[in-house]
Amino acid sequence: EADIYQTPRYLVIGTGKKITLECSQTMGHDKMYWYQQDPGMELHLIHYSYGVNSTEKGDLSSESTVSRIRTEHFPLTLESARPSHTSQYLCASSEFRRGEAFFGQGTRLTVV
Amino acid sequence: GESVGLHLPTLSVQEGDNSIINCAYSNSASDYFIWYKQESGKGPQFIIDIRSNMDKRQGQRVTVLLNKTVKHLSLQIAATQPGDSAVYFCAGVLKAAGNKLTFGGGTRVLVKP
Repeated sequence: EADIYQTPRYLVIGTGKKITLECSQTMGHDKMYWYQQDPGMELHLIHYSYGVNSTEKGDLSSESTVSRIRTEHFPLTLESARPSHTSQYLCASSEFRRGEAFFGQGTRLTVV
Repeated sequence: GESVGLHLPTLSVQEGDNSIINCAYSNSASDYFIWYKQESGKGPQFIIDIRSNMDKRQGQRVTVLLNKTVKHLSLQIAATQPGDSAVYFCAGVLKAAGNKLTFGGGTRVLVKP
């Protein structure tokens, strides 16, 4: 059973607010990822990390930023939320030598 | 919000029938492939994987076939059940890129009673 947690599950917030989506894993995985997914649509990689102090942008451009100060924690921040940021954000982690990723339940963000 | 990507195709299947879900990939350098199942309101869950040097792998009620000649991957689900209703994604893993996981387009499977 994978142990990766995202909070909050649902968030409705006004335009211009700063938000941080939390993601934590207890498996000691080096690699962590953030994906963006609209309902019924594909998954798009927006950020990933190979370990502490490592962050890279993914295939889809995003105005969000991430940090990796601790192995188990990979938060995603939007400095000023806009309605175009409305989407589901999925966090995942994997062992360094394996590609199989374990996913959290996701955060469904709505910006009004 | 602005939509990202393409709408997913849908496969309707009668309960008890076999399902075949297809995936085309572009990167022939992928070292192995993974199938994920995503139920409504949840994150994707690992189903089965297959190494690029294999043609077929079987799991519990699932079989994955890999045709490297035409860069095609399929997932077969035997005796489809209502609990199999979900979106299914294939993903390629490239070791040379640090085991980067790249998802392909998914397929929504609807099981009819």
